[in-house]
Amino acid sequence: NAGVTQTPKFRVLKTGQSMTLLCAQDMNHEYMYWYRQDPGMGLRLIHYSVGEGTTAKGEVPDGYNVSRLKKQNFLLGLESAAPSQTSVYFCASSYRGTAGFTEAFFGQGTRLTVV
Amino acid sequence: QKEVEQDPGPLSVPEGAIVSLNCTYSNSAFQYFMWYRQYSRKGPELLMYTYSSGNKEDGRFTAQVDKSSKYISLFIRDSQPSDSATYLCAMSRMDSNYQLIWGAGTKLIIKP
Repeated sequence: NAGVTQTPKFRVLKTGQSMTLLCAQDMNHEYMYWYRQDPGMGLRLIHYSVGEGTTAKGEVPDGYNVSRLKKQNFLLGLESAAPSQTSVYFCASSYRGTAGFTEAFFGQGTRLTVV
Repeated sequence: QKEVEQDPGPLSVPEGAIVSLNCTYSNSAFQYFMWYRQYSRKGPELLMYTYSSGNKEDGRFTAQVDKSSKYISLFIRDSQPSDSATYLCAMSRMDSNYQLIWGAGTKLIIKP
């Protein structure tokens, strides 16, 4: 079972460059999320989507854009990378749970360094 | 102030010890309380979850919620080196589109 797959696993960018991170899930989940994880900060939500064609801002959306054109894919874009965006990025997906609970399934992460 | 507070550690204990990991929170609307385990260079995986107050046991792991104190705990009995990981608490409420609010994670090291 593939689950949640992130591409690429590692990337080094120069300041000002752009890139797109791809997340694909094969569990037919409605919800998808992009997080960043920094030391001592835990997981911070960047953007999320509750269904195909819909996206919403999370806690730290500035400098990022997202798109969900297909249910199974969620793309995270950096238009002009900055050193502050050096982080580990995690994509996650979840089903539409009942009464408030849903389990999030995570990809393996993308380690991004902006120099 | 963060909605969920968790000591990042690291917490280092000898093999076989009982481990206690904790989170405090400020929003009384949280109803689901989760513990995720994250091994180095991997994504988090759900370990256990509880609804509202009370205890839940799964093998060597026990999750405890005290809503009156806004405090949750994860206990690990007979800890093993394979338990070495970062443990993240997470919480959700019914009116939040199932968004999870995360603690910072506690790095746990079990010494053989």
